[in-house]
Formats: sequence, C-alpha cells, structure tokens
Amino acid sequence: NAGVTQTPKFQVLKTGQSMTLQCAQDMNHNSMYWYRQDPGMGLRLIYYSASEGTTDKGEVPNGYNVSRLNKREFSLRLESAAPSQTSVYFCASSEYPPQHFGDGTRLSIL
Amino acid sequence: EDQVTQSPEALRLQEGESSSLNCSYTVSGLRGLFWYRQDPGKGPEFLFTLYSAGEEKEKERLKATLTKKESFLHITAPKPEDSATYLCAVQASDAGNKLTFGGGTRVLVKP
Repeated sequence: NAGVTQTPKFQVLKTGQSMTLQCAQDMNHNSMYWYRQDPGMGLRLIYYSASEGTTDKGEVPNGYNVSRLNKREFSLRLESAAPSQTSVYFCASSEYPPQHFGDGTRLSIL
Repeated sequence: EDQVTQSPEALRLQEGESSSLNCSYTVSGLRGLFWYRQDPGKGPEFLFTLYSAGEEKEKERLKATLTKKESFLHITAPKPEDSATYLCAVQASDAGNKLTFGGGTRVLVKP
C-alpha cells in the first residue's frame, strides 16, 4: 500500500534556487495538505487543497506556491529558496480527518 | 486562534515505567482530537480520534482520554519500541478538515 508518496526524500539547494516538491496519493482523497516541521514548532500548515481545483493558504504560506495537478497530485514550489525554508516538508491527504502523511522531504538551503 | 500545547517536551522512561503525556487545547468548538505517533525519519502515523469529553480509546499499551480542555495519552508498562514522538492535533468546528498540531512529546524508553 503506497498511501502518500513524496519525492525527493532529500534535497540541498543554494539560496535563490527554485525547487518543486512532489506529492501523490492513491487513496482517492479529496483533500491534500502541505506542512513544514521544524524543531520545537510542531507541524505548521503551508497550503491545502480541499478538493481538485481549489487551493488555500495555511498558517505559513509566504515564499511558497502550490498546484493541485489532479485529484492524486499536489505539488509545492519554492520560487527563490531562502535559508529560513530549511525544514522537513510533509504532504498529507484525507477524505475527512484523520490525515494520512507521507514520509517527508528533508530540504536544506545553504 | 486555535492552540495546542503538549507537555512535557521530552520524557525518559525505564521499560515498564508507566506515564502520561498531556495535550491541552484552546479551540472555538472541538470536532475531534487526534493522536499520532512519529518515528525518526518518518511521517506521523495515526493512532486515535476522540470526539467528546469522557471518551477513551485504547491500543495495546496506549490509552487516550479526553476532557473539555485537555487530552492524555497514557503509556502503560512501556517497551523500548514505544520510543517515538507523540503528536496531538485538534480539528475545530469552523476549520473544515484542517488540523492544528501541538509541538509533540519525545518519548524514550530505555531497557
């Protein structure tokens, strides 16, 4: 059972570079989410998509953009990476809570 | 603004030493409270959902309880494999399917 698949698992970028994080789910869920996890800060919602064709800002959207490509796929883009965006990024999906998570992308910005 | 606070931040237990983790919350109206387990290098894994005060859920050595202001995750006679970070999250009545997470409690169980 694949569930939620995130690619890549690790990435190192230089300040100012761009990057797209990919997420795909095979559970036929309508809602998808992007979070970042920093030490001591818990999971913070960046963007979410309640259904195909809709996206909304979460708690910390600045510096990010998203695309809901279809019902399965939800991507997160960093247009000009900054060191403050060094974090672990998690994608999740749900039809209704609870949300189901991927294993994350560990992103370092130098 | 919805808030979730977990305590303690970290907990070191001897194998067999029972303990409790706390999750206190402030939310306009609670639709559900969720407990997750997160292992190093992995995403959170769902454990329990609680919907109303007085409700309890159990799974192996874990038992979750809910009051109007907080939830507890009790770990009975823990084993080293219970070592993980435990996350609490709430769903507010006006937040759709969005969750607000606490900072987590890191649990280390030593043999």
